[in-house]
Amino acid sequence: DAKTTQPPSMDCAEGRAANLPCNHSTISGNEYVYWYRQIHSQGPQYIIHGLKNNETNEMASLIITEDRKSSTLILPHATLRDTAVYYCIVSGTYKYIFGTGTRLKVLA
Amino acid sequence: DAGITQSPRYKITETGRQVTLMCHQTWSHSYMFWYRQDLGHGLRLIYYSAAADITDKGEVPDGYVVSRSKTENFPLTLESATRSQTSVYFCASLGQGVSAGELFFGEGSRLTVL
Repeated sequence: DAKTTQPPSMDCAEGRAANLPCNHSTISGNEYVYWYRQIHSQGPQYIIHGLKNNETNEMASLIITEDRKSSTLILPHATLRDTAVYYCIVSGTYKYIFGTGTRLKVLA
Repeated sequence: DAGITQSPRYKITETGRQVTLMCHQTWSHSYMFWYRQDLGHGLRLIYYSAAADITDKGEVPDGYVVSRSKTENFPLTLESATRSQTSVYFCASLGQGVSAGELFFGEGSRLTVL
């Protein structure tokens, strides 16, 4: 499974869009991109996933570059409750490996 | 109640003792996973299972044993606990159908090894 690289931390103003990048330059054709977040010490929560097309759900949007080597998770209107660690995972099998993630702090 | 539950939620044990963490899910999901999360770090995959009687190693399997005799249960055993196994342990199952690709996590089991 491809390895991912994320910035360790980011800040975002409340009400603004939060754009969280993920690099997965070694991704292969059958591997999906998944995003999860972990609030405090709770179990991680699924956000969204995609293969090559951009995806949107009620929580976020996922933008995957055409070469699939990177992606961006977009939280369109960040709130204080979005403060969490966000994990980008790439997997084509059933072996989901979490990296260290990005600690997003939403500022009032 | 439907969902995934872990027990115990908190456990203190001593070095060398055997400890079993239980995980139960009510969805009949085929795939189940065990992760550990050390303080201030990300999750690391210990073991996963594709179905009853099918298990496979993750990133950090040493010191752990798993079994899966029934689809709904996936216990994790530390045969001889060490202080380095002090951690929060999360169990997860993988959604199917409309939830395909989505991992559902339990609330975690906080283990302290003295």
